[in-house]
Order: sequence, then structure tokens, then C-alpha cells
Amino acid sequence: DQQVKQNSPSLSVQEGRISILNCDYTNSMFDYFLWYKKYPAEGPTFLISISSIKDKNEDGRFTVFLNKSAKHLSLHIVPSQPGDSAVYFCAASARNTGNQFYFGTGTSLTVIP
Amino acid sequence: DAGVIQSPRHEVTEMGQEVTLRCKPISGHDYLFWYRQTMMRGLELLIYFNNNVPIDDSGMPEDRFSAKMPNASFSTLKIQPSEPRDSAVYFCASSFGVKTSGANVLTFGAGSRLTVL
Repeated sequence: DQQVKQNSPSLSVQEGRISILNCDYTNSMFDYFLWYKKYPAEGPTFLISISSIKDKNEDGRFTVFLNKSAKHLSLHIVPSQPGDSAVYFCAASARNTGNQFYFGTGTSLTVIP
Repeated sequence: DAGVIQSPRHEVTEMGQEVTLRCKPISGHDYLFWYRQTMMRGLELLIYFNNNVPIDDSGMPEDRFSAKMPNASFSTLKIQPSEPRDSAVYFCASSFGVKTSGANVLTFGAGSRLTVL
């Protein structure tokens, strides 16, 4: 049973436009959420995080939005650049699961020049 | 720091053979995680250690899988005997302390791609 779901396996966006990657979760106890970015033949690298006490966190071109009532978070990339082409993983954890992070299946983003 | 180091990067073996994957975490990190990446399930947590002690191994799929962490700088994931369905990319990750802020995130290695024929 996937507690973190990324229902879009892939997404294509024109350079300069906004990329929106979505993530849904089922466990209402999750209180910390992260996005990781993965290039081929490399390990995932941390991109941005958000605590459940916030509904938005911004870091440069990257913004994560959290909607706790809908159990949904999204990652916005504005403007999108070709170097953003990668697989993006959403992850979540809860205090009652210790340090365990639950990951989604990933969304492959392609930014078209 | 060189980051989390995994070896081998690629492993091709035949069904029934023993496979050992190795990981060197970042110095000073007290948590170590083993993940497996598949298309169907994404990144699955197999097991994690805190201060070299296994904390949760509920993600280990079968008794064929075992993991050890003999010291703070080394961990192994062993599959014996290996089967074709074990083919995946296996990632090791480490972190410092318990998650309380954005600073306490997982740092992943580059992964070990396993192919079992």
C-alpha cells in the first residue's frame, strides 16, 4: 500500500513555463514532507522540504505547497529550465514512524528547450 | 566529504548466486538507510540503522535479504540466493540525528544497479 502517491509518471513543459508536480498522501500523521530530484545514474538529491505547520515554502525557483485537508502537496518550478529535467520524488514522514521516510513512485519531468 | 559511497555501481549475476552490496555513509551521520527503487513501488525502505543498530527491518522482502552495519563507516546488504525479481537499483542513504528540521534530510549514494539473470 502506497502511503505516498505520485499519479503522474511523466510531465513535459516548455522552457520558461511553470512545472507543477503533484503528490498525495494517505497518512494524516505525516508532518514533514520533502522533494528529491534524481538525474540518471545518480542518487536522489534533496531539493526542498515543508513542515506541516506551514502551507508554503519557497526556495528560489522552487515552491512547495501543502494542503493538509486534502492531503496533497505540490512542487512548482518557475521558470522551468532544461536542467530541471529529472525524476522528482515526493517523500513524507511522521513522528510516530521514527526517521522513516515514505517515497512516491516519482514523476519524470522533461523541460523542452 | 565524498558523500555516501556505494559499491559496486553495477552488478550482473545469475539466479542463485550471492550478492553483496556495500555502503560507506557520510562521516558523523548516525542513521543509515537501505532503499530499493522499482518502477512499480518507487523508493522502498528496506532497513535502517541508528548508531549501527538495526531499528526497522520490516521492509526487507524475504529472509534471503540481510543487512549488517559492523561499524559507523560501513554497511552491507546481502541477497542469498538472488532471484530475477531482485533486479533493481539499491540505494544507501545516511543522515544525522532525528528529523526535526530541513537540515536533517537523507543524503543518498549513487546506487547499485543489480541485474539477476
